[in-house]
Amino acid sequence: DAMVIQNPRYQVTQFGKPVTLSCSQTLNHNVMYWYQQKSSQAPKLLFHYYDKDFNNEADTPDNFQSRRPNTSFCFLDIRSPGLGDAAMYLCATSRGEGSADTQYFGPGTRLTVL
Amino acid sequence: AQSVTQLDSQVPVFEEAPVELRCNYSSSVSVYLFWYVQYPNQGLQLLLKYLSGSTLVKGINGFEAEFNKSQTSFHLRKPSVHISDTAEYFCAVIPGGFGNEKLTFGTGTRLTIIP
Repeated sequence: DAMVIQNPRYQVTQFGKPVTLSCSQTLNHNVMYWYQQKSSQAPKLLFHYYDKDFNNEADTPDNFQSRRPNTSFCFLDIRSPGLGDAAMYLCATSRGEGSADTQYFGPGTRLTVL
Repeated sequence: AQSVTQLDSQVPVFEEAPVELRCNYSSSVSVYLFWYVQYPNQGLQLLLKYLSGSTLVKGINGFEAEFNKSQTSFHLRKPSVHISDTAEYFCAVIPGGFGNEKLTFGTGTRLTIIP
């Protein structure tokens, strides 16, 4: 089945220790998104790629970076995680043919910061 | 800018009873509307979406939603719920058109089914 895969599902890191979360997709979609979802809150868009074009949300902290080396993979790098960065991180994809497109979500990576 | 309000953070419902989860939105432009479901420890899955046309939209798992432009609402309903419907439900909007694909989510409604 075509899908969005996130690894690892659970990640524990120490305060200030860089961490990378991974997302891959077999849907061949043009757009890939990263959302942050804190406990009992709505998912919040951090950034997205339309193909290789990177779009950063204005309020995304500089501590968060992303890479998309090819169509299938996208990475979220947190350079110096703080306690406030503990959250579920969701990757999503869409075809990129307009706002009506469905976004397909992966299962998420739950990040714990000690 | 768009905003979404889900007034009910938690809704407990007895099994086989009907349920309505409320969603109101605010936008200065036309929008597309979505309902997503999130089961425990999983990502979001699309239940249904309204783009245009008939205001009653049918989705997966027996859910439906009605778009009401005058009341700026998009409430989700199911006539008879099951234990497996226990999940978090998110309403979301996106401005219509091409080039702006930012979903704005509500804060979610946790649906708990009571046996």
